Amino acid sequence: QSALTQPASVSGSPGQSITISCTGTSSDVGYYNLVSWYQQHPGKAPKLLIYEVSKRPSGVSNRFSGSKSGNTASLTISGLQAEDEADYFCCSYAGSDSLYVFGPGTKVTVL
Amino acid sequence: EVQLVESGGGLVKPGGSLRLSCAASGFTFTNYNMNWVRQAPGKGLEWVSSISSSSTYIFNADSVKGRFTISRDNAKNSLYLHMNSLRAEDTAVYYCARDREENDDILTGYSPEAFDIWGQGTMVTVSS
Repeated sequence: QSALTQPASVSGSPGQSITISCTGTSSDVGYYNLVSWYQQHPGKAPKLLIYEVSKRPSGVSNRFSGSKSGNTASLTISGLQAEDEADYFCCSYAGSDSLYVFGPGTKVTVL
Repeated sequence: EVQLVESGGGLVKPGGSLRLSCAASGFTFTNYNMNWVRQAPGKGLEWVSSISSSSTYIFNADSVKGRFTISRDNAKNSLYLHMNSLRAEDTAVYYCARDREENDDILTGYSPEAFDIWGQGTMVTVSS
């Protein structure tokens, strides 16, 4: 069982915006600004989309944005495109005992 | 090109052992903390182990403590995962992943980071 909670699936039409939530606790998401998001296409390795809650690595589209409020982090994809159809995982630093915890993943479908 | 290439996966019987390797290239391996993350078939990602740049700090998930050992050889630009007492629930694709930023663990201690470079993964199947 994952330590973080994500919706199993989210869908949207091309051009729309969608938001994926990631709920943790006051010991991980709520305590550290070290939430990251990963995109994974079938059969491929994960790709870093967002780090430190809201920062984008070089080369990642600005259609991806992150935020956090309390124990819940969010990933928003704006201007949804067919290529965005993938699984999305959140991850949070959780201290020196557990180090990192992942969410179960959210499958994004572009209608 | 910055690259991580895993190897060593395969089919092993419950209770058996396996050693995974991850060959790094295209960056100064000795400056980065490294990690193993696994993904069971059809499931999500699970953090397994992390090791700091100079091997000063090592962390393991509770699910593998006492059974898995992470190590690195900076002279060979290689990361390893020694897996003992394997169980069916260890069946997964194992990815090695690099921390996003360099970390001098001697100077600054362990600095947690996101994982910006991932290998293609190596499959481990534990079955009789």
